[in-house]
Amino acid sequence: EAGVAQSPRYKIIEKRQSVAFWCNPISGHATLYWYQQILGQGPKLLIQFQNNGVVDDSQLPKDRFSAERLKGVDSTLKIQPAKLEDSAVYLCASSPGSSRGYTFGSGTRLTVV
Amino acid sequence: AQSVTQLGSHVSVSEGALVLLRCNYSSSVPPYLFWYVQYPNQGLQLLLKYTSAATLVKGINGFEAEFKKSETSFHLTKPSAHMSDAAEYFCAVSESTGRRALTFGSGTRLQVQP
Repeated sequence: EAGVAQSPRYKIIEKRQSVAFWCNPISGHATLYWYQQILGQGPKLLIQFQNNGVVDDSQLPKDRFSAERLKGVDSTLKIQPAKLEDSAVYLCASSPGSSRGYTFGSGTRLTVV
Repeated sequence: AQSVTQLGSHVSVSEGALVLLRCNYSSSVPPYLFWYVQYPNQGLQLLLKYTSAATLVKGINGFEAEFKKSETSFHLTKPSAHMSDAAEYFCAVSESTGRRALTFGSGTRLQVQP
């Protein structure tokens, strides 16, 4: 079974620029999550999708972050404009549901300078 | 609402010694509990999970954890540490019903001394 694919692996941008991350979940997984992991901290949920609908985006800074899940499969997370404090690893995870398991991608490490 | 507290941001043990990483949780509904390991520049790998079956859960690489409802704890143990166990460990909780998103603790970095 292929894992959760994320790209790019690394990204360096200047503050106020925009950036987008892509996630391809495991085939058939209905639920997709985006997490932000700041250095030295545990991952924090940004947004949860069930198929192509948003279940929870209460911790997503909506003034600068946006996310979509096209056709209930791939997902993109965008930051515009980026701030220095957005430097983090952005992890995508997918699950078939019912807490049967969560599979994480390798993440995208974003550095904002 | 749910939360996780991991006591000790850094734990150092000698190779061959017992590993004990502490995790306490708070949840308004019966929880599912997880331990993940993260090696440098890698994603999260599941070590083990509790989903309301046996309270003593065995995972990969010789790790195990015991769910204690009365203590709201889910501590991770391994009888004998190996150098390859050096990594960051995260405890996480999810609701057994509803949204089921994982809430993570702040992590414990395990160092294994030769």
